[in-house]
Amino acid sequence: AQKITQTQPGMFVQEKEAVTLDCTYDTSDPSYGLFWYKQPSSGEMIFLIYQGSYDQQNATEGRYSLNFQKARKSANLVISASQLGDSAMYFCAMRAWVYNQGGKLIFGQGTELSVKP
Amino acid sequence: SQTIHQWPATLVQPVGSPLSLECTVEGTSNPNLYWYRQAAGRGLQLLFYSVGIGQISSEVPQNLSASRPQDRQFILSSKKLLLSDSGFYLCAQGQGYYEQYFGPGTRLTVT
Repeated sequence: AQKITQTQPGMFVQEKEAVTLDCTYDTSDPSYGLFWYKQPSSGEMIFLIYQGSYDQQNATEGRYSLNFQKARKSANLVISASQLGDSAMYFCAMRAWVYNQGGKLIFGQGTELSVKP
Repeated sequence: SQTIHQWPATLVQPVGSPLSLECTVEGTSNPNLYWYRQAAGRGLQLLFYSVGIGQISSEVPQNLSASRPQDRQFILSSKKLLLSDSGFYLCAQGQGYYEQYFGPGTRLTVT
């Protein structure tokens, strides 16, 4: 069965410092995708970054980077130079492709990040 | 770029009453559409997904149902709400293998 585990319910970081949010996954499918989403208090889910299982390099998007370690089945999100607006819930998700049925996202329980001024 | 609308934004309904939540998508054709539910302080749970008009797949057995009467319209319904149906309902769309984009959500409270 496919599963995403986020072991940090809450994290604190000082403004302008970097922070790593942990994510481990479990799947037997050779082809999958890993995602990170940000959910501010308003509730909207904001897509941050994507990593494909066959991608050789770690994904980066601005201040976000994904530390992908395939052998360890981990996909940690690194946020550099934290800003107050980064305070939110962060969800790691995995997409396993089901032929002709559309890919389905499986979410972890989330990590609440608080950025201190 | 795609835009996802969800209606209503918030809803308070008594136990046993019917439910209809609507999701409409702009800026894309033949999208895969998804309904997720998020309980307070929890992650998202996939309820239904659809790869085309009239094609609905259910992930979790429950008293909810979904329909897709038009290419860009996805409806979540119930004939009789339960207290456990309370939560934040998110509609999402995606094409292909990559990211899904979410609507603003509907916050449902069943009393």
